Amino acid sequence: EIVMTQSPATLSVSPGERATLSCRASESISSNLAWFQQKPGQAPRLLIYDASTRPTGISARFSGRGSGTEFTLTISSLQSEDFAVYFCQQYKNWRPLTFGGGTKVEIK
Amino acid sequence: QVQLQESGPGLVKPSETLSLTCTVSNYSITSHYYGGWIRQPPGKGLEWIGSLYHGTPFYSPSLKGRVTMSVDTSKNQFFLSLTSVTAADAALYYCASHDSVSGNIDTWGQGILVTVSS
Repeated sequence: EIVMTQSPATLSVSPGERATLSCRASESISSNLAWFQQKPGQAPRLLIYDASTRPTGISARFSGRGSGTEFTLTISSLQSEDFAVYFCQQYKNWRPLTFGGGTKVEIK
Repeated sequence: QVQLQESGPGLVKPSETLSLTCTVSNYSITSHYYGGWIRQPPGKGLEWIGSLYHGTPFYSPSLKGRVTMSVDTSKNQFFLSLTSVTAADAALYYCASHDSVSGNIDTWGQGILVTVSS
């Protein structure tokens, strides 16, 4: 099983600042990584896939980088609607698909 | 835009089988539909249960053979069956779709809360 480790668990950021979230895979997953945003009471929403590709409709404030085992999600100039929990997920190995434990981005 | 909606009982007794349905809208599914199930205990993280991809089922080994997924193209639905449930299976259950090319999850249902209690 590929273990996905996210850090930090909680990130306190002021509105307008930049946030950088990390996700590490226990073995190489190439670029088969997705990032999701989840707000309270809502289903997760896809932000990034293939490590760096934004789906249509996702703000350019969100950017993803990395390959192999180290990945980052950067949110530039945090807006009020960006305070949420963020999960990474690998889909390189489907036996099983695995998620990181999540990073909560909270208002500082 | 594809939409997904879970349905099923919100309460299941211990040792019984949990059966959930995901209805797909705005897309005609085939027997090779790329759908999956994920669950989330309240206040916790996401756990992948299983997915159907290119006609092949993939299940989480942690659920030890209790999971079965299937598709009914005539109803545009896919299903989850989880046998011998315990309190540990109580969670918010989401159905989701995978991108047919890259494989990532791209769309989620709104979720259905399942409680396990006698």
